[in-house]
Amino acid sequence: QKEVEQNSGPLSVPEGAIASLNCTYSDRGSQSFFWYRQYSGKSPELIMFIYSNGDKEDGRFTAQLNKASQYVSLLIRDSQPSDSATYLCAVSYNTDKLIFGTGTRLQVFP
Amino acid sequence: DGGITQSPKYLFRKEGQNVTLSCEQNLNHDAMYWYRQDPGQGLRLIYYSQIVNDFQKGDIAEGYSVSREKKESFPLTVTSAQKNPTAFYLCASSDGGGSADTQYFGPGTRLTVL
Repeated sequence: QKEVEQNSGPLSVPEGAIASLNCTYSDRGSQSFFWYRQYSGKSPELIMFIYSNGDKEDGRFTAQLNKASQYVSLLIRDSQPSDSATYLCAVSYNTDKLIFGTGTRLQVFP
Repeated sequence: DGGITQSPKYLFRKEGQNVTLSCEQNLNHDAMYWYRQDPGQGLRLIYYSQIVNDFQKGDIAEGYSVSREKKESFPLTVTSAQKNPTAFYLCASSDGGGSADTQYFGPGTRLTVL
């Protein structure tokens, strides 16, 4: 059974701080890793994806992948109240399907 | 504008009724997916289709049916056999294959059984 685990939170950080969201996965054959943001009542929107070990930066967001330890993380720098949402981690072990974690709720307070 | 549309946004069903949720995309994507999301839970795959006239069951296909007669359309029917259909239904699409397996989501349909 392939699984993706996330702490449900909430993770509370002050405005301007770095938010660190973590995700672990069970299948070593996993190939692609995705972070989605989902506001309450809305559909998920893609933030970024990562395929290779190491860091990938896009604006205030950095995805970090460590395949040996089977975890992927998302860092949000200079967190804003508008970043308050649920962040979903998704993992693909082939090109057909994604397995989603249950999400981490992030709260950024002013 | 390219994107994925779902209709209706809200749907109310009486017990014993079949209902069909619409999903259309103009992204020219080959693959399309249907997910169900319950409160506080992750997305669970219902059905997916990688090519026209072909589809596969996901993890929770019982009580649901789909068709893929056109590349841009992937409707989902929630049948009376689905015992607990109240949920948020999300349609997604992707290019499929290689590094282009990123899935993009439509706005969703919220189904409530009365």
